[in-house]
Amino acid sequence: QLQLQESGPGLVKPSETLSLTCIVSSGSITMSNNYWGWIRQPPGKGLEWIGSFFYGGTTNYNPSLKSRVTIFVDTSKEQLSLKVNSVTAADTAVYYCARGQGRSWADAFDIWGQGTMVSVSS
Amino acid sequence: SYVLTQPPSVSVAPGQTARIICGGDNIGSKNVHWYQQRPGQAPALVIYDDSDRPSGIPDRFSGSKSGITATLTISRVEAGDEADYYCHVWDSYLWVFGGGTKLTVL
Repeated sequence: QLQLQESGPGLVKPSETLSLTCIVSSGSITMSNNYWGWIRQPPGKGLEWIGSFFYGGTTNYNPSLKSRVTIFVDTSKEQLSLKVNSVTAADTAVYYCARGQGRSWADAFDIWGQGTMVSVSS
Repeated sequence: SYVLTQPPSVSVAPGQTARIICGGDNIGSKNVHWYQQRPGQAPALVIYDDSDRPSGIPDRFSGSKSGITATLTISRVEAGDEADYYCHVWDSYLWVFGGGTKLTVL
């Protein structure tokens, strides 16, 4: 059963860059016919889509975050990565990586990681 | 941008039926997915493509769509169903989530 595990710094200072990774176990990003996504959830709030990625294809970003966000894959480690530049307190959230059911962007996210909490504070 | 609207909360007694609505423009033309998020846990898919259930999801969970709304129905509600529920669609290269509905089991 494919599993996802996010990891990150826990605490980031304002204006710095947040870097997160998502390890894929019992599966592959590069060999699958699935898309992959990052979603975040500020404390006590709802889900916010950050971006979606298909290996060998395109990446789509939330327009509200597009100028500060990059999603990419470390193919040697089968890790999905997320970078968010110039963070502020508004970026404080639990960050999830998730797998799309298939290669259609309209497919649901069928597998989610447990999430990693990131706080932005000086 | 596309918006999905959900009621903030729904309450139901154990054994009764809960219905959670998700409204959006032209939602009839989109695939609607539903996620359950128990406190302190990651979201989990409970309905995809309007009305299909992933393996392992009990048949007490069902989905439907009509007009400008999609509905998640939970029959014979149990205490363990108490959670936040989110609808989700894809619209023109944007992934949109509803604001979430907190289901309280009385």
